[in-house]
Amino acid sequence: IAGITQAPTSQILAAGRRMTLRCTQDMRHNAMYWYRQDLGLGLRLIHYSNTAGTTGKGEVPDGYSVSRANTDDFPLTLASAVPSQTSVYFCASSRRGDSRYGYTFGSGTRLTVV
Amino acid sequence: AQSVTQLGSHVSVSEGALVLLRCNYSSSVPPYLFWYVQYPNQGLQLLLKYTTGATLVKGINGFEAEFKKSETSFHLTKPSAHMSDAAEYFCAVSDQGYGGSQGNLIFGKGTKLSVKP
Repeated sequence: IAGITQAPTSQILAAGRRMTLRCTQDMRHNAMYWYRQDLGLGLRLIHYSNTAGTTGKGEVPDGYSVSRANTDDFPLTLASAVPSQTSVYFCASSRRGDSRYGYTFGSGTRLTVV
Repeated sequence: AQSVTQLGSHVSVSEGALVLLRCNYSSSVPPYLFWYVQYPNQGLQLLLKYTTGATLVKGINGFEAEFKKSETSFHLTKPSAHMSDAAEYFCAVSDQGYGGSQGNLIFGKGTKLSVKP
């Protein structure tokens, strides 16, 4: 089934550790996104990529980095995790980088930083 | 800048009652509007979207939304709630093409719908 795969599903991480959240899509969508979801704050954009080889910063990029080596993969890295990065992380994609078509979302990664 | 306001973080209805989830947006040009649904421990699924044309948009699971330009609203309705409708609902607007932006979706903070037996 075409869609977005995120891994891991959940993770408990010690503060200060490095962690990479994986995101893979098989729809050949050009654009990909990382959001975090926090209670009362909705979804906030962390980073995005309109096409392979390019990335951009969203609303809350500090403490996170991304890369887009190819069309299918868009990993999100926390270089040194802090408790405030405890959240549910969603990867999404869109056709041709045009948000007017809407996004397809993965099932999320629940991250707890202790 | 585009923005979305969802009125009411939590709405509770009885099974069989009307569901009304409110969404207002800000935009200086015709917007592209979306409603997404998130069931517990799942990702977001597209419920319906308004692009151009007919202002009443029908989506999945019996939901519909009406775009009202004069009120800058895009409220989500369903005539009769089912227990399976219990979920969180997000309204979103596309800022594609505005001020050099990358065309991202701007989400509201969400409304959690509870359905009582």
